[in-house]
Amino acid sequence: SAVISQKPSRDICQRGTSLTIQCQVDSQVTMMFWYRQQPGQSLTLIATANQGSEATYESGFVIDKFPISRPNLTFSTLTVSNMSPEDSSIYLCSVETGGGYTFGSGTRLTVV
Amino acid sequence: GQQVMQIPQYQHVQEGEDFTTYCNSSTTLSNIQWYKQRPGGHPVFLIQLVKSGEVKKQKRLTFQFGEAKKNSSLHITATQTTDVGTYFCADMEYGNKLVFGAGTILRVKS
Repeated sequence: SAVISQKPSRDICQRGTSLTIQCQVDSQVTMMFWYRQQPGQSLTLIATANQGSEATYESGFVIDKFPISRPNLTFSTLTVSNMSPEDSSIYLCSVETGGGYTFGSGTRLTVV
Repeated sequence: GQQVMQIPQYQHVQEGEDFTTYCNSSTTLSNIQWYKQRPGGHPVFLIQLVKSGEVKKQKRLTFQFGEAKKNSSLHITATQTTDVGTYFCADMEYGNKLVFGAGTILRVKS
């Protein structure tokens, strides 16, 4: 299965600022997925990132708030823009790997 | 999109007791996947079920997919402290998107 390096692992940010999260995969993948996991909750899909095209966002998530880049088949970034305390969550990237999905280790974001 | 309901929300068992978590859908599932997330960790893939009535085992874990492909269960026999974590079922939707159930938190008393 693929190995994903996600960073940063955690950050504490001031409200109104932005944070960019990076995921590097050790193999080429067509689709990368970005999830949010609010404290004590399940995972919610934010968007699907395909190389060479704009990301596809799920209901309730918009590009202005969560811009995504996918410059090649092994890398993607998610930016959390103009942060508020409600954005405090764990953000995870994921790729499909032969029947199951592999997740990055997550970015624990706290907005103060 | 499709919703997968998962119960119970939380279970606290004595070490050695069995544990089961259930997922249910009002519509037919294409396939169902199960993940385990340890406290402070990220979800780790356990298994995928595709066929109606399918049963798969991994050591003390038994996974079942209902005949109508509308429900699934994960059963752990004789729990150990290493089984602690949150267990999620997830349905794969169009576009290879995973939709997760709410998860069942398992705590094991030694």
